[in-house]
Amino acid sequence: AQSVTQPDIHITVSEGASLELRCNYSYGATPYLFWYVQSPGQGLQLLLKYFSGDTLVQGIKGFEAEFKRSQSSFNLRKPSVHWSDAAEYFCAVVNSNSGYALNFGKGTSLLVTP
Amino acid sequence: DAGITQSPRHKVTETGTPVTLRCHQTENHRYMYWYRQDPGHGLRLIHYSYGVKDTDKGEVSDGYSVSRSKTEDFLLTLESATSSQTSVYFCAISEFGGDIQYFGAGTRLSVL
Repeated sequence: AQSVTQPDIHITVSEGASLELRCNYSYGATPYLFWYVQSPGQGLQLLLKYFSGDTLVQGIKGFEAEFKRSQSSFNLRKPSVHWSDAAEYFCAVVNSNSGYALNFGKGTSLLVTP
Repeated sequence: DAGITQSPRHKVTETGTPVTLRCHQTENHRYMYWYRQDPGHGLRLIHYSYGVKDTDKGEVSDGYSVSRSKTEDFLLTLESATSSQTSVYFCAISEFGGDIQYFGAGTRLSVL
């Protein structure tokens, strides 16, 4: 079944610095990939998605992600982090064997320092 | 925001008692999902529904049952709650399979 791995459990960046969160997927065909963000005590908000086509996708809040088939990766990036970006970030892939449910990575917790 | 309401938002219950969580949507989406979120595990699928009365099990379905008698409502029942079911439960909806999933605000359940 399709799966994703987020290698980094915690990441700390300084405000204004660039950010890259890693996501590796496992699937033979082209996967449907998502990045979600979760602020403390909140639900999940979609940042961006990749279904097909252009491998660089733009999302909300200034985030972008690049699909790289050769590396089985879908890394999330932001050129300049704001303190309000501190949150938990989840990469997810559609599992076509379970009613198109999402298989989530375990998440990366982002801390932003002044 | 997608019209998804989860109720209750918080619940404390005792081991052995039945518990029902409700997910209500106003989007007329076909697919509905229940996930649980636990530290270190991300979100895991409990059950899903692909239409009225059409449901199936997910990765962590033991101890849970679901029902969907109307398009807008998807109920998750813990027949006899255990402490291992203490978790945050999220409902999600999507218009069709593989489409974007929209999440509710979650229900925090504590089983003592």
